Amino acid sequence: EAGVAQSPRYKIIEKRQSVAFWCNPISGHATLYWYQQILGQGPKLLIQFQNNGVVDDSQLPKDRFSAERLKGVDSTLKIQPAKLEDSAVYLCASSTGPNQPQHFGDGTRLSIL
Amino acid sequence: AQSVTQLDSQVPVFEEAPVELRCNYSSSVSVYLFWYVQYPNQGLQLLLKYLSGSTLVKGINGFEAEFNKSQTSFHLRKPSVHISDTAEYFCAVSEGGSQGNLIFGKGTKLSVKP
Repeated sequence: EAGVAQSPRYKIIEKRQSVAFWCNPISGHATLYWYQQILGQGPKLLIQFQNNGVVDDSQLPKDRFSAERLKGVDSTLKIQPAKLEDSAVYLCASSTGPNQPQHFGDGTRLSIL
Repeated sequence: AQSVTQLDSQVPVFEEAPVELRCNYSSSVSVYLFWYVQYPNQGLQLLLKYLSGSTLVKGINGFEAEFNKSQTSFHLRKPSVHISDTAEYFCAVSEGGSQGNLIFGKGTKLSVKP
């Protein structure tokens, strides 16, 4: 079974620019998560989707971050404008349902200059 | 609110020695507990989980963990480590009834030396 796919693997931008990350979950997985992992810390949940609906976005900085999962499959996470403190690895995970084990992608490492 | 404390940020150990990575949690409700491993430049991989039942949980790669409700701990152990176990290990907790909304600890870097 193919795993969770994320792209790009690395991205370097300047502050105040915008950036987008893409995630393709495991086929058939209804639940999709985006996490932010700052260096030296554990992952922190940003947003959780169930199919194409948002279940939890309480920790998403909505003034600059947005995410969508229009057809209930692929998802995109956007940052606009980026700040220095957004430098982190952005991980996508998926599961068959909200109460099932999560499978993680390899992440996108974002560096803000 | 739930929280997870991993007491050691780094653990160096020699190959074939035993290792224990410590994890304590705080929660006012029943919880599910997890250990994940992260190899360099990769995502997280589930090692093992405790949902209910036996408090001793066996996972992949020879790891096991024991849930201790009275001490609110979920320490990870392996009797004999290999060089390939060098990685970062994360303990996580979620409220009972859901494996979503994972709260992660800050991680423990395990370095296995020859």
